[in-house]
Amino acid sequence: GENVEQHPSTLSVQEGDSAVIKCTYSDSASNYFPWYKQELGKRPQLIIDIRSNVGEKKDQRIAVTLNKTAKHFSLHITETQPEDSAVYFCAATTNSGGGADGLTFGKGTHLIIQP
Amino acid sequence: KAGVTQTPRYLIKTRGQQVTLSCSPISGHRSVSWYQQTPGQGLQFLFEYFSETQRNKGNFPGRFSGRQFSNSRSEMNVSTLELGDSALYLCASSLGWTSIPNEQFFGPGTRLTVL
Repeated sequence: GENVEQHPSTLSVQEGDSAVIKCTYSDSASNYFPWYKQELGKRPQLIIDIRSNVGEKKDQRIAVTLNKTAKHFSLHITETQPEDSAVYFCAATTNSGGGADGLTFGKGTHLIIQP
Repeated sequence: KAGVTQTPRYLIKTRGQQVTLSCSPISGHRSVSWYQQTPGQGLQFLFEYFSETQRNKGNFPGRFSGRQFSNSRSEMNVSTLELGDSALYLCASSLGWTSIPNEQFFGPGTRLTVL
């Protein structure tokens, strides 16, 4: 089955600096890669996703890049703000013919924004 | 549109008992997936239901089961509870019927404590 590795487990950055979280996956058939943000005591919220036919996607301060050959994808957050502090999860899944496998998640990155 | 809802939000059970959790997806979504979240194992996929049929299953014992009703609402059941079943149980809904991966939206979760 799919295996997703996520690094680092904790990331502390100064407010205004950039943060990068990296994930690798094992199943070359995976074709959908979402990122979720989970604040303490709250549900995971989708912040950005990318499909395997795209190399990069950007939404304001957040961007995701995908390298299918190397089987890794990364989340980039620029101009970090205190409200970016949370746990971020990457995930991967395979969707074929309308049937979606469950999401396989990385272990999470605790992002701390230092004022 | 109303988001994904889950009931109850908190449950306390004792070992050996069974429990049923409920999930109502976003209107129009036909796929419901269930996940277990623990500090040690992170987020793990339990199973996915679409049109009242289990379409995919994760690596959990048979004590974990689920079902989906014709209105897409889903329940999951855990029988013969063990201490290790203490976790946050999250459900996520998605469209489910397209040939490309769909975004999954999470509910607030049910916090199960087994004593």
